[in-house]
Order: sequence, then structure tokens, then C-alpha cells
Amino acid sequence: AQRVTQPEKLLSVFKGAPVELKCNYSYSGSPELFWYVQYSRQRLQLLLRHISRESIKGFTADLNKGETSFHLKKPFAQEEDSAMYYCALSPYGSSNTGKLIFGQGTTLQVKP
Amino acid sequence: EAQVTQNPRYLITVTGKKLTVTCSQNMNHEYMSWYRQDPGLGLRQIYYSMNVEVTDKGDVPEGYKVSRKEKRNFPLILESPSPNQTSLYFCASNPRYQETQYFGPGTRLLVL
Repeated sequence: AQRVTQPEKLLSVFKGAPVELKCNYSYSGSPELFWYVQYSRQRLQLLLRHISRESIKGFTADLNKGETSFHLKKPFAQEEDSAMYYCALSPYGSSNTGKLIFGQGTTLQVKP
Repeated sequence: EAQVTQNPRYLITVTGKKLTVTCSQNMNHEYMSWYRQDPGLGLRQIYYSMNVEVTDKGDVPEGYKVSRKEKRNFPLILESPSPNQTSLYFCASNPRYQETQYFGPGTRLLVL
């Protein structure tokens, strides 16, 4: 079955501390993976996608096919990073169909 | 401004009274989707559409209908709403060959 699991509902850290939001997936093929973010009172928006291998707002995520994980990391958290983060999987990779499977979401709270 | 719009933003209704939530995008995207967001469950895809007159079920399609008669519009229809359909609903769109989805502002539905 295709599934995305984010084991932490809430992650609370102090400003300047490292952050790692966990994401594990279950899919037998070659998925495409994403992180979406929802700031308070804003729309859900793409943060980054594994295929781009980019760093956005200091966040990076590496796809580990052996561990079927796509954890989101940032070395020094900022207060403005406080938001809900969703990991998502597109089961058909580059064969875009519009189908997207989301995890349960993790609320990141960065304390001053 | 390029965007996805949804109407209404808030809706209170009673069990069994048919309702439609509209979704429109002005970016000429081929793909459109509907999601519901529930605490602890994250976002779950209800239906998605790859083009006009082409729709497919997502993970939780029961109790919902959609239609795609025009490229820009993708209404979500609840023929006989029930209290378990109380949720926050999001519409999203993306262009062909690009997985990034652009989300609407959400519609909060309460079914009494």
C-alpha cells in the first residue's frame, strides 16, 4: 500500500537549535517526494521536492531509498519556521497524474 | 494574480441538504484535485482530474462527486452531506509535467 508516515504530531525546539522532521514512505516503485508547508493563516505551499535537490529557506531533505525516508532538516531553526509541515508522495514519479499522498503532518513550534 | 479560488470559504449546513463547493484556477492548469484536512489524518485526496471530462477517485471519494466540464473549474458536490464530512476542504491545481500543486485558501464545512 502507498503510505506516508510522519511519526511526530508536534515538534518543539528553541530558536537556533537543529530541526529534523521525519517522513517515512511505503511505495514499491520510484516515487517523487515533496515537503509542503502551511504557515498560520496562509495557503499550503510547496517547500521543496527531492528531485530538485535544492535548499529552500535553509531546509534540505534527502531521499534515502534504503530506509524509505525523506526527512526534512534545518541546522538552525528560526521563529518564522513555525508552521505545519506535510510530507507528500507522488506514486508515479515523472508520469504526472495529479495523485498525491500526504502524511499526517507535523507542527513545528520554534520557541524564542 | 495567478491563483486558485474556492467558494464559499465557510459553510454550515444540515444533514442531507445538497451542496456544492466551487473551485476555479486562472493558470490554465490541466490537473486539479480536492482534499480534505482532518486533525491527526493530514490531507487526504478525494478526487482528482487530469483534464476536462477526465476524473479519478483519490483515497476518500465516498460521499462526494466532482465534474470537470471546463478546464478552469472543478466543483465538489456533496449530494447528501453527513456529519462525518465536517472538515476543511482544499482545492489544488498543477500543470501537466509539473508535480507542484497550487492550493486554494480552503473551505471550512460544518454539517449538523
